[in-house]
Amino acid sequence: EPEVTQTPSHQVTQMGQEVILRCVPISNHLYFYWYRQILGQKVEFLVSFYNNEISEKSEIFDDQFSVERPDGSNFTLKIRSTKLEDSAMYFCASSVMGLANEKLFFGSGTQLSVL
Amino acid sequence: DQQVKQNSPSLSVQEGRISILNCDYTNSMFDYFLWYKKYPAEGPTFLISISSIKDKNEDGRFTVFLNKSAKHLSLHIVPSQPGDSAVYFCAAARDGTSYGKLTFGQGTILTVHP
Repeated sequence: EPEVTQTPSHQVTQMGQEVILRCVPISNHLYFYWYRQILGQKVEFLVSFYNNEISEKSEIFDDQFSVERPDGSNFTLKIRSTKLEDSAMYFCASSVMGLANEKLFFGSGTQLSVL
Repeated sequence: DQQVKQNSPSLSVQEGRISILNCDYTNSMFDYFLWYKKYPAEGPTFLISISSIKDKNEDGRFTVFLNKSAKHLSLHIVPSQPGDSAVYFCAAARDGTSYGKLTFGQGTILTVHP
C-alpha cells in the first residue's frame, strides 16, 4: 500500500529556532494535513491544504506556523520560532478528495523536542 | 476540547474473545465517526467508519455501532487477535467544510493476550 513518508523521524531544536518538518504525501492525493500529539494528549488537527492554499486551520495554527508545497512531491510544516510547548509528535496525512468520511493516510510522524 | 471522549484508557482481552471499545461525543453536528488504530512508532491507520444516519457498519471482524440518542459509539472486534493490540482512536468529522479535520478521542490501549 502506498505510504506517506515523513522526515526526520526525530528533531531536536533549541527554543526560538525555526524548524521545518517534511512530508511526502501519496502521489495521487490532493489534500494534505498536519496533526500533532503532545505526549499524553489527544491527536489534534492543525491544518489542511489543497490546491496550494490552506483549506482550514485550527486555533493552534497561529502565525508561528506555516505550510508549503514547495514542489510536486513535498509538503512542509514550518514553525518559525519554536516554544517548549511545541514539543510533540507531528503527523502528516493525505487523502484523495478531502471528504469528511474519507480515510486519511498518516505518516509515521516526526517527534519534535524543543529544549 | 472534550467533544469526543474515550473514557477507558486501556482494555485487556483474551485472544478469541470480543473486544468492545467505547466512545462518547457531545457535538450533535458530527456527520461521520471513524476509528483509527495506532501501533508504536507508526501513524494512525484507518479501520472503519460510520455515517451518522446509520446505526451499524461491519467490515470483517470489526463492527461499529452508533447510538445517536445516547451520543455513543462502540467498536467491536470479534474474535480478538494478539495483532490487534494497539491504541484505538475514535474520531469524528463534520461534512461540508471539514477538509479532513478530525476531532479525536484520547485513545484506548487494547491488549489482546494469547
